[in-house]
Amino acid sequence: EAGVAQSPRYKIIEKRQSVAFWCNPISGHATLYWYQQILGQGPKLLIQFQNNGVVDDSQLPKDRFSAERLKGVDSTLKIQPAKLEDSAVYLCASSLDQGGYEQYFGPGTRLTVT
Amino acid sequence: QKEVEQNSGPLSVPEGAIASLNCTYSDRGSQSFFWYRQYSGKSPELIMFIYSNGDKEDGRFTAQLNKASQYVSLLIRDSQPSDSATYLCAVNDYKLSFGAGTTVTVRA
Repeated sequence: EAGVAQSPRYKIIEKRQSVAFWCNPISGHATLYWYQQILGQGPKLLIQFQNNGVVDDSQLPKDRFSAERLKGVDSTLKIQPAKLEDSAVYLCASSLDQGGYEQYFGPGTRLTVT
Repeated sequence: QKEVEQNSGPLSVPEGAIASLNCTYSDRGSQSFFWYRQYSGKSPELIMFIYSNGDKEDGRFTAQLNKASQYVSLLIRDSQPSDSATYLCAVNDYKLSFGAGTTVTVRA
């Protein structure tokens, strides 16, 4: 079974630029999550999708972050404009259902904002 | 955001010893608890989950849950250098809330 795929693996941008990350979850997994992990901290949930609907985006900075999940499969997370404090690893995870009891993480995208 | 606190590391243990990791959580209604292992530069991987009070064993790992004390722990027996990683405690109430993690170093 293929795991969660993410791209790109690394991205360096200047502040005020925009960036987009892509995620392809495990086949058949209805729930998809985006997390932000700042160095030295645990992952923080940004947004959770159930199929193509948003379940929780309470911690998503909506003035600069946006996310969508096309046709309930792939997802894209965008930051526009980026700030220095957005430097982090962005992790995508998926689970079979909304309970999220077993979440499987992708390799992550390491974003550096200069 | 529910709070999940882990004992600050790093934790250094000799090879073959028991590593003990602790985690407390703020929401008394939390029902399920997870331990993830994260190697440096890698993504978290699930190693254990526990729902009921008491102990749950899986190989060299034992998770312990005490809901009355809002406390969950992870024991790693016969620690190996390959166990050197950051261990993340997570509480799940339809979304995961992670602690900051405890870094474990197993010295040969």
